Amino acid sequence: GAGVSQSPRYKVAKRGQDVALRCDPISGHVSLFWYQQALGQGPEFLTYFQNEAQLDKSGLPSDRFFAERPEGSVSTLKIQRTQQEDSAVYLCASGPSGRPGGGYTFGSGTRLTVV
Amino acid sequence: QKEVEQNSGPLSVPEGAIASLNCTYSDRGSQSFFWYRQYSGKSPELIMFIYSNGDKEDGRFTAQLNKASQYVSLLIRDSQPSDSATYLCAVRNTDKLIFGTGTRLQVFP
Repeated sequence: GAGVSQSPRYKVAKRGQDVALRCDPISGHVSLFWYQQALGQGPEFLTYFQNEAQLDKSGLPSDRFFAERPEGSVSTLKIQRTQQEDSAVYLCASGPSGRPGGGYTFGSGTRLTVV
Repeated sequence: QKEVEQNSGPLSVPEGAIASLNCTYSDRGSQSFFWYRQYSGKSPELIMFIYSNGDKEDGRFTAQLNKASQYVSLLIRDSQPSDSATYLCAVRNTDKLIFGTGTRLQVFP
């Protein structure tokens, strides 16, 4: 597609509920990132894929967070047993590999509210 | 110490003035530096990137990098009310971007 597509745009979850957030990157982009952005803060790195390989998951805040990209294109970020502190905007970004200076393109994000 | 530091602002400038946004970073080995603009409720959009010491100009925007001082800045000339947004500085660490908290810029008519 023309841009990075994320769904749903908004998600309200009851505390303890599991959620799944989807990211469809720009076609052909090898690199895919998930970021978490709390209100008034900059995006915080969660995890990174190159094709289907998850190369870095050092930013995932707990084992309740899990991400996958099984075929090297669409990615899903899953949060189990959601808690109020999980409320944030979850941003997905993609980029072509081999561009030492290029930035990444962000999707519109999913705003998760845990009540 | 955070890896990327920015003054949260707000930075208020009159229309037509130069807005100067600053950022410092802690990893001396960092190679690439980015400025993103984020309007309220929207996702970050890339404005510029720089990886050589000195200045890089693109229209009304100039990015400046000083690796010895671990300092990167963004100048916006002829500021317009439509430039009012949060400006995020990011530093590339291996393949991931590390962001600062952003500086909120307000341009008043």
